[in-house]
Amino acid sequence: GQNIDQPTEMTATEGAIVQINCTYQTSGFNGLFWYQQHAGEAPTFLSYNVLDGLEEKGRFSSFLSRSKGYSYLLLKELQMKDSASYLCAVRDAGNMLTFGGGTRLMVKP
Amino acid sequence: DAMVIQNPRYQVTQFGKPVTLSCSQTLNHNVMYWYQQKSSQAPKLLFHYYDKDFNNEADTPDNFQSRRPNTSFCFLDIRSPGLGDAAMYLCATSTGLLETQYFGPGTRLLVL
Repeated sequence: GQNIDQPTEMTATEGAIVQINCTYQTSGFNGLFWYQQHAGEAPTFLSYNVLDGLEEKGRFSSFLSRSKGYSYLLLKELQMKDSASYLCAVRDAGNMLTFGGGTRLMVKP
Repeated sequence: DAMVIQNPRYQVTQFGKPVTLSCSQTLNHNVMYWYQQKSSQAPKLLFHYYDKDFNNEADTPDNFQSRRPNTSFCFLDIRSPGLGDAAMYLCATSTGLLETQYFGPGTRLLVL
């Protein structure tokens, strides 16, 4: 079966750094995605990791360790508009995405 | 410009009354997906098309059907909506199964 775990909620301060963790156990692994989803809107693609290591994209970075079944999304210089849910999704052996429940991030002034 | 378009954005239907949601794309992507997302839950894949090849997830209820008449359009038909089918329905597309999926804005379905 597929199991993807991430914290339900996190709170951080504007200008700070926050790390959102994701652990997974899936039938096969063909890559891990992070999506951002504002309330009532569609998920938007943030990052993709298929090899171990860190991928950096502006204020957002994502890390993957396949041996540990672990990823994190790092958000730097937090802005109020970063308040959203962050979804971790794993592509399995069948090439389909299984999503975690999402982490709702609240950025406070 | 919107690349994955879903209509309508909000749909109200009655219990048991068939409803169709539509998705169109201007990306010429081969794969189209339908997800169901209930409040505060993860998106759950219902089915996908690779070109005209239809693939149903094992636990997708028979009440849900899909049609893809051409590359650009894909429809989700709910034959007899129940109260439990109230959710956001997300359409996504990708060039291939190994490529990034891009989502439309979703249709929020309310069943009365």
